Amino acid sequence: EAGVAQSPRYKIIEKRQSVAFWCNPISGHATLYWYQQILGQGPKLLIQFQNNGVVDDSQLPKDRFSAERLKGVDSTLKIQPAKLEDSAVYLCASSSDRGRGTEAFFGQGTRLTVV
Amino acid sequence: AQSVAQPEDQVNVAEGNPLTVKCTYSVSGNPYLFWYVQYPNRGLQFLLKYITGDNLVKGSYGFEAEFNKSQTSFHLKKPSALVSDSALYFCAVRDATSGTYKYIFGTGTRLKVLA
Repeated sequence: EAGVAQSPRYKIIEKRQSVAFWCNPISGHATLYWYQQILGQGPKLLIQFQNNGVVDDSQLPKDRFSAERLKGVDSTLKIQPAKLEDSAVYLCASSSDRGRGTEAFFGQGTRLTVV
Repeated sequence: AQSVAQPEDQVNVAEGNPLTVKCTYSVSGNPYLFWYVQYPNRGLQFLLKYITGDNLVKGSYGFEAEFNKSQTSFHLKKPSALVSDSALYFCAVRDATSGTYKYIFGTGTRLKVLA
């Protein structure tokens, strides 16, 4: 089974620029998550989709971050404009949700550096 | 609110010795607990989970975890550590109270296995 695909792997941008990340979840997984992992910290949920609807975006900085999941499959996460504190690894994950005990599968992440 | 705590930032252990990485949880209702491992420049990789049943759960690469309800703990263990086990380990709980079932992660514990 193919895993969660993310691109790009690395991105360096200047502050106030915009950036977009792409994620392709495991085929058939209804739920997709975007997490932000700042160096030295655990992953923090930014947004969660169930099919193409948003389930939780309570920790998404909506003045600069946006995300969409078209047709309930691929997803993009955008930051505009970026700030220095957005430097982090952005992880995409998906789960099948066949029961509450199912695990999530993660992509390799995109490391963003804002200079 | 659901949460997990990892009290140790780093654990050092000699190769061949048993290892323990600690995790305590705070949940209302039944806990759904997970362990993930993260190698450098990689995403999170699922190791094992506790949903219900036997308090000792076995997972990948010889890891196991012991669920202790009275101590609200879910410690990760391995009888004999390998240098290749050196990585960042995250404990997580699935939030079954908010209706979103999002995964909430601890701050992580860096495991160093010394040759």
